[in-house]
Amino acid sequence: GEDVEQSLFLSVREGDSSVINCTYTDSSSTYLYWYKQEPGAGLQLLTYIFSNMDMKQDQRLTVLLNKKDKHLSLRIADTQTGDSAIYFCAESRRYSSASKIIFGSGTRLSIRP
Amino acid sequence: GAVVSQHPSWVICKSGTSVKIECRSLDFQATTMFWYRQFPKQSLMLMATSNEGSKATYEQGVEKDKFLINHASLTLSTLTVTSAHPEDSSFYICSARLPGIGERNTEAFFGQGTRLTVV
Repeated sequence: GEDVEQSLFLSVREGDSSVINCTYTDSSSTYLYWYKQEPGAGLQLLTYIFSNMDMKQDQRLTVLLNKKDKHLSLRIADTQTGDSAIYFCAESRRYSSASKIIFGSGTRLSIRP
Repeated sequence: GAVVSQHPSWVICKSGTSVKIECRSLDFQATTMFWYRQFPKQSLMLMATSNEGSKATYEQGVEKDKFLINHASLTLSTLTVTSAHPEDSSFYICSARLPGIGERNTEAFFGQGTRLTVV
C-alpha cells in the first residue's frame, strides 16, 4: 500500500472549514508538506511543518502534526471556490546524502455552494 | 521564491521516437533535482534523483535505459524518454531544492510539468 495515505475525495460547502487528513509511515521524516495542484498545473507549496512541531498556522491554513500517530492534517478555514484542487501530503525522507520527497495519493477537494 | 522552469509544457510524439524534457533552476544552483511522473488522477511517483556531475539514482522499477537523465550543469537537468511508447504518456514534473541544510533546504520548487502524449 501507499506509504503516505490520504482519502481521495472531500466535499465541503463554501465558507465552511475543510480538513484534509494524511498518515505517513516513516518516523524519521524531518519535514512534512502540503502541496496544492490545480488542474493541468504543477505543484504549489502551501505550507510545511518540521517534525518537532505540533502545529503551524498561516493565515487560513492550520497544520496539525501528531508524531506519535504519524498523522498530519491540513485545515482550510472559510473555504472558497478557488480552493478547489488536489491537495498532496508529502514527507521528506533522508537517503544517504540526499532527501527525497514522497507524496501521498492526493485528496481532491470540491466546493459546493 | 525560487523558480524552476520546465520545457516543453506539452509534447506529442510518434511511437518509437525519443523526447527530451528540460528542467532549469532559473535563479539558484541546484546540485540535486528530482523527476516525478504522474498518471491521470494519481499521485506523483518519484522516478529518479538527478545529481550534478554524476549518475542519476533511479527508484526501483524505473528503467534507467528508458529514462535517461543528464545533469550536466548546476542549473539544468534533462530527462530523455527513449523509444517512447503510448504507455509512456504521462505528466512529468521536475523539482529542485535550494542548496544548504535545515530550514533553507526544506522547500522543493516544482516545474510546471510536461504532458507527454505518445501516439
